[in-house]
Amino acid sequence: DSGVTQTPKHLITATGQRVTLRCSPRSGDLSVYWYQQSLDQGLQFLIQYYNGEERAKGNILERFSAQQFPDLHSELNLSSLELGDSALYFCASSAAGTGPNTEAFFGQGTRLTVV
Amino acid sequence: AQSVTQLDSQVPVFEEAPVELRCNYSSSVSVYLFWYVQYPNQGLQLLLKYLSGSTLVKGINGFEAEFNKSQTSFHLRKPSVHISDTAEYFCAVSKASGTYKYIFGTGTRLKVLA
Repeated sequence: DSGVTQTPKHLITATGQRVTLRCSPRSGDLSVYWYQQSLDQGLQFLIQYYNGEERAKGNILERFSAQQFPDLHSELNLSSLELGDSALYFCASSAAGTGPNTEAFFGQGTRLTVV
Repeated sequence: AQSVTQLDSQVPVFEEAPVELRCNYSSSVSVYLFWYVQYPNQGLQLLLKYLSGSTLVKGINGFEAEFNKSQTSFHLRKPSVHISDTAEYFCAVSKASGTYKYIFGTGTRLKVLA
């Protein structure tokens, strides 16, 4: 158990809909990272938050947004969903934010299926 | 920018045989290097990491990796694999300073055969 909790584990929704994925980081970790894993794209970095502030942005679509709350949990919002958004979405946390990332701990992921 | 190349998408190997999973990286700055394993229907678990010091790094489950700066490689090895090692293995890099996201390779699926 990595200590990172993601909910829900599975999500099935229709095209055009909006969903919210939730992540609780390990106790004490200030950084949260979101990744998308799909068969054709592999593991793609989406976005990083550190102590409530956006720190780095990757290949995140404009239809997607994220935030980190004062209690450090994070939510990834996906809107106007398309079939191609079907993927496994991982959250990771680490203590790093202003220093090098020496280790990140991953949750078990949320499998999103858009039908 | 950093990039990671995992040269083999799939590696079949018989049980108790040795295995090497290859990883090459590209970066103009110093990086940290990682190997993660993903078992079916699981999240990613850290196997080992290279931050500095000895270029031979030992990890969990009998895996080790060697950092070769001149060849920009970080290959993962195990002298004798078990059926339970069947999983997907990801190599990743992170800058040693600046923004700290991981860049992952596309993964290598290790299939251990009885």
